[in-house]
Amino acid sequence: KQEVTQIPAALSVPEGENLVLNCSFTDSAIYNLQWFRQDPGKGLTSLLLIQSSQREQTSGRLNASLDKSSGRSTLYIAASQPGDSATYLCAVIGDTGNQFYFGTGTSLTVIP
Amino acid sequence: EPEVTQTPSHQVTQMGQEVILRCVPISNHLYFYWYRQILGQKVEFLVSFYNNEISEKSEIFDDQFSVERPDGSNFTLKIRSTKLEDSAMYFCASSTESAVLNQPQHFGDGTRLSIL
Repeated sequence: KQEVTQIPAALSVPEGENLVLNCSFTDSAIYNLQWFRQDPGKGLTSLLLIQSSQREQTSGRLNASLDKSSGRSTLYIAASQPGDSATYLCAVIGDTGNQFYFGTGTSLTVIP
Repeated sequence: EPEVTQTPSHQVTQMGQEVILRCVPISNHLYFYWYRQILGQKVEFLVSFYNNEISEKSEIFDDQFSVERPDGSNFTLKIRSTKLEDSAMYFCASSTESAVLNQPQHFGDGTRLSIL
């Protein structure tokens, strides 16, 4: 069964710093990987989706990379802002189809 | 921008009672999903639904759970006889295509279910 892990579990950085969130998965047979943001008491907002054939995706200050063979993805956030404070989740679609396997999440706090 | 909407935002129910959670997916979406998140734990997949039938379900989705698309807009999750351990946040999601075709899933804000 696919297991998805995220490191660190929590991260606190001063505003303006660049940071990297890590995601690892045990089974490299995935269709795609998606990064989400979850604000307290809210649903999940999709940030980036990387197809299994892709190496990275960029949106604004966010850049996600995927190394499928080693079972790893990173989310790079440039010039962090207090509004980036949230929990970040990665999820992979396994080879059975529509089932998402979610990671444990990284809780990010950006200090003004 | 179109949104997935879920009602109610918070449901409190006595153990053993039936509960129905409601979702209105984005209108041109064809694939629908339910997830749950127990407090402090991972988001877990429950079920996916396409063309009026379940396309995939997890081991969590046992006989106590059922899903339905009763009309052209609503998608519901029913828990027949609730248990204390069903207390969780339940998220509905939808997408235009199957997730394996690399279409992102769009999530609602969730229904917090509290079983007393």
